[in-house]
Amino acid sequence: DGGITQSPKYLFRKEGQNVTLSCEQNLNHDAMYWYRQDPGQGLRLIYYSQIVNDFQKGDIAEGYSVSREKKESFPLTVTSAQKNPTAFYLCASSTTGGKQPQHFGDGTRLSIL
Amino acid sequence: AQSVTQLGSHVSVSEGALVLLRCNYSSSVPPYLFWYVQYPNQGLQLLLKYTTGATLVKGINGFEAEFKKSETSFHLTKPSAHMSDAAEYFCAVNQAGTALIFGKGTTLSVSS
Repeated sequence: DGGITQSPKYLFRKEGQNVTLSCEQNLNHDAMYWYRQDPGQGLRLIYYSQIVNDFQKGDIAEGYSVSREKKESFPLTVTSAQKNPTAFYLCASSTTGGKQPQHFGDGTRLSIL
Repeated sequence: AQSVTQLGSHVSVSEGALVLLRCNYSSSVPPYLFWYVQYPNQGLQLLLKYTTGATLVKGINGFEAEFKKSETSFHLTKPSAHMSDAAEYFCAVNQAGTALIFGKGTTLSVSS
């Protein structure tokens, strides 16, 4: 079955450390997204990419970086500059254009050691 | 700018009762609207969507929503709640053809 795979499910970061969250999709979608979820805040957009080798900042991009070298993959790096990284991170993908819904992975929960 | 407001961060109903989750949006052009459901520690699952055409949209698990342009609303309803409906629900809008704008979510509790 097609879908989105996020790994790991749980991740712990030490102070000053960069960590990378993986997101892979086999839905043949052009667009991919990263959201951050905090209790009571809904989902906030970190980065999105509508095509390989191109991506745009979302509302809360500071302290994060991404790459899109392959259509199937959109990894997110949480850098040491992100001072409050504890959250639930969700990756999504969709066809472009906006009419079609986004499909979500099962998320990665990041915590600080 | 687009925005989504979900009225009520928590809604509690009894099993068998009507479920009504409220969503209002702001948009300068006709929007694409979505409702998603999230169970604990999982991703979001699409319940239903409105793009064009019929304003009453039916989704999975017995849910439906009505697009009312004059009220800028897209409220989610289910005639009879089931215990398995307990989850968090998100309304979202997509206008610019890129990423979704989400509301802050409504947690639905169902008591027996």
